Amino acid sequence: GQQVMQIPQYQHVQEGEDFTTYCNSSTTLSNIQWYKQRPGGHPVFLIQLVKSGEVKKQKRLTFQFGEAKKNSSLHITATQTTDVGTYFCAADTGRRALTFGSGTRLQVQP
Amino acid sequence: DSGVTQTPKHLITATGQRVTLRCSPRSGDLSVYWYQQSLDQGLQFLIQYYNGEERAKGNILERFSAQQFPDLHSELNLSSLELGDSALYFCASSVGQGAKGYTFGSGTRLTVV
Repeated sequence: GQQVMQIPQYQHVQEGEDFTTYCNSSTTLSNIQWYKQRPGGHPVFLIQLVKSGEVKKQKRLTFQFGEAKKNSSLHITATQTTDVGTYFCAADTGRRALTFGSGTRLQVQP
Repeated sequence: DSGVTQTPKHLITATGQRVTLRCSPRSGDLSVYWYQQSLDQGLQFLIQYYNGEERAKGNILERFSAQQFPDLHSELNLSSLELGDSALYFCASSVGQGAKGYTFGSGTRLTVV
């Protein structure tokens, strides 16, 4: 079956440092989505990437979709304490429900 | 409020019992998905319904079942509960397959003692 690997599992940064999480799929995807789950909360949709090589920005967040449509990354510039949470990528093959990565838990030290 | 309503928020029950979790999708969404999240774990897909019909199955145990009703609300039934079934159960909805983003409910935290 499809596998989605996400690294790192956990990252602790000082406020103002950058953060990146990486996601790799075993199969080619129709699109990839990113979600954020705050501690004690539920996943919240951030963005969907569809095109090969696509790059999208949301303020300090930059999302990339690989050329082969099998990997993706989320980069946060100058982290803030409000960025704390777990970031999940979610792979969409177009044939079934989303397969979520294991998530990267981000802790930001003020 | 995401628009997806899940009840109850918390549930504590004994091993061997049966419980029903309920989900009302966001208005206009036809697809409902159930995911299980164990402590500090990722989201494991259980089952999907689209407009009343089962569309896809994931790692759902035979002790678990679900359905989607004509008004599009969904119920997840968990029976013969075991300690390992303790988890957060999320319902999510979307307009349809491949939709731009799922909307998640706040989840039901199930504790089996």
